[in-house]
Amino acid sequence: GAGVSQSPSNKVTEKGKDVELRCDPISGHTALYWYRQRLGQGLEFLIYFQGNSAPDKSGLPSDRFSAERTGESVSTLTIQRTQQEDSAVYLCASSPRSAYNEQFFGPGTRLTVL
Amino acid sequence: QKEVEQNSGPLSVPEGAIASLNCTYSDRGSQSFFWYRQYSGKSPELIMFIYSNGDKEDGRFTAQLNKASQYVSLLIRDSQPSDSATYLCALYSGAGSYQLTFGKGTKLSVIP
Repeated sequence: GAGVSQSPSNKVTEKGKDVELRCDPISGHTALYWYRQRLGQGLEFLIYFQGNSAPDKSGLPSDRFSAERTGESVSTLTIQRTQQEDSAVYLCASSPRSAYNEQFFGPGTRLTVL
Repeated sequence: QKEVEQNSGPLSVPEGAIASLNCTYSDRGSQSFFWYRQYSGKSPELIMFIYSNGDKEDGRFTAQLNKASQYVSLLIRDSQPSDSATYLCALYSGAGSYQLTFGKGTKLSVIP
């Protein structure tokens, strides 16, 4: 079946602009996650959605970052007033309802803030 | 604070040899453990996960978990140049938070 998809694959923006990143999870997966990976670094958790429950926003680095998800479908991550330190690959993952929490990643969006 | 430690490498092994990748963790209550492979410029790909002490085999890959010693390892038998990648260890604590905690990865290079 289809995997997690993300768009755009690459985004170049100017400092101060807003950007919106999109994630389509695997069909039937109830959980969705956003992570950030800076060049040469590990994965940094940003936010988690599970069904209609309140999201876990504990990883969002500032109030410039927000995310939405409608039900168990598409999610968007919005970064307002982008800064150069926001440059990274933004990865989305989804997970089935499972005790083990195995997560499957999309191809990522590479964001470059000039 | 949950921590996952991996040797950054690079770990170089000749083609056909066994590659051994190790990971230690600090959260004794962690429930499940994952190995992801990440090729340069690509996203992580789930290879295996393990949640019980002992070994779990899948093709050329074997994951080993020792909860008492708080380590998890990945063995790759008959290593191929196509196995050259960064291997990320991750854990799920199960303690009310659903994020995975990732190590920074070990870079593996399989020499033809």
